[in-house]
Amino acid sequence: ETGVTQTPRHLVMGMTNKKSLKCEQHLGHNAMYWYKQSAKKPLELMFVYSLEERVENNSVPSRFSPECPNSSHLFLHLHTLQPEDSALYLCASSQESLPYNEQFFGPGTRLTVL
Amino acid sequence: QKEVEQNSGPLSVPEGAIASLNCTYSDRGSQSFFWYRQYSGKSPELIMSIYSNGDKEDGRFTAQLNKASQYVSLLIRDSQPSDSATYLCAVRLWSNTGKLIFGQGTTLQVKP
Repeated sequence: ETGVTQTPRHLVMGMTNKKSLKCEQHLGHNAMYWYKQSAKKPLELMFVYSLEERVENNSVPSRFSPECPNSSHLFLHLHTLQPEDSALYLCASSQESLPYNEQFFGPGTRLTVL
Repeated sequence: QKEVEQNSGPLSVPEGAIASLNCTYSDRGSQSFFWYRQYSGKSPELIMSIYSNGDKEDGRFTAQLNKASQYVSLLIRDSQPSDSATYLCAVRLWSNTGKLIFGQGTTLQVKP
């Protein structure tokens, strides 16, 4: 595997389900990110992990719960989601160094909440 | 005022022409600027990054940064139909968290 991988690529879930999105980066980076991309809206940053510590939580509802067990893996745990949470969820990684921050994205998980 | 603004387009250019994409940002403390290309149904792909005022060229792509005027642009020379995509401008604020602010994107259509 190379770059940033995400699984699953597609997910359909009911509002009462619990599911998790997985991201893995093979670039040796030290920062990882979750973004949400909804139709007709800019990419929205959700969470930032730097050196496995969460350094940014962009006012995301508690039904989204991130986890970063090590610098290569990032999870997004989902529970009791709403239909408006249907979107493309993107993971990215970067080698953090000011002022540079080239972020590389995974292919995304297309989430549909019924 | 939006933090990063782009004209949503679509911007339509004929094959072989120069496509010019523009982006303005509101925070004067912005440090780094990026252009991503996103094909329909795909994830964003980094194509250019620029940190200093002036021009930066990479193949058919040139990024231009003017911090005094708070704008960054992307020129695509000899546009090809395969360049048809949405181009996202992203700006890094002066922070330690690596946070990028994205514009809404400009859709480019290159017509054969």
